[in-house]
Amino acid sequence: GNSVTQMEGPVTLSEEAFLTINCTYTATGYPSLFWYVQYPGEGLQLLLKATKADDKGSNKGFEATYRKETTSFHLEKGSVQVSDSAVYFCALTGIQGAQKLVFGQGTRLTINP
Amino acid sequence: EAQVTQNPRYLITVTGKKLTVTCSQNMNHEYMSWYRQDPGLGLRQIYYSMNVEVTDKGDVPEGYKVSRKEKRNFPLILESPSPNQTSLYFCASSRRTGGAGQPQHFGDGTRLSIL
Repeated sequence: GNSVTQMEGPVTLSEEAFLTINCTYTATGYPSLFWYVQYPGEGLQLLLKATKADDKGSNKGFEATYRKETTSFHLEKGSVQVSDSAVYFCALTGIQGAQKLVFGQGTRLTINP
Repeated sequence: EAQVTQNPRYLITVTGKKLTVTCSQNMNHEYMSWYRQDPGLGLRQIYYSMNVEVTDKGDVPEGYKVSRKEKRNFPLILESPSPNQTSLYFCASSRRTGGAGQPQHFGDGTRLSIL
């Protein structure tokens, strides 16, 4: 079945550091890929998405590129801020138009000033 | 404001006492879903609904029921809660049409503790 694997957390960085959170997936066909972010005490919010190979999703300085050859969708940001502290989830939907989200286990990110 | 509203936000109860968590969305979305979030496991789908009167099991449906009598509401029912259902629950909704990659909108979560 479909699955998502994220790098183990927690991740702690200093402000202005470069961030990478690794995400790889297993899926049949051509899934859509997502990063969701969960701030303390809140629900999940869509951060960015990509729906086909080589697409790059971007938002709030975060980027991720859909790499079909390596089945990856790594999240990157060039200079993190304290306000980026949150839990980040990589997820996929399995087939065209389907809604079911399959999530990775989440990565807790803490940014120190 | 577009939103998914869950109630209650927090609940502590005892084994076997029936409870309902309500979920309502104001975006006219066809698709609604319930997830539970547990440490180290991410979010796992409990039940989903593609439209009114259409519901189906997700990955972890045991011990839960749902109904979809109206498009905006999708309550989660625990008929006889047990301690292993202690978790953080999220309701989500999205459009069904519009191509691949329709984002889901999440409620703020309901933290259930079953003693």
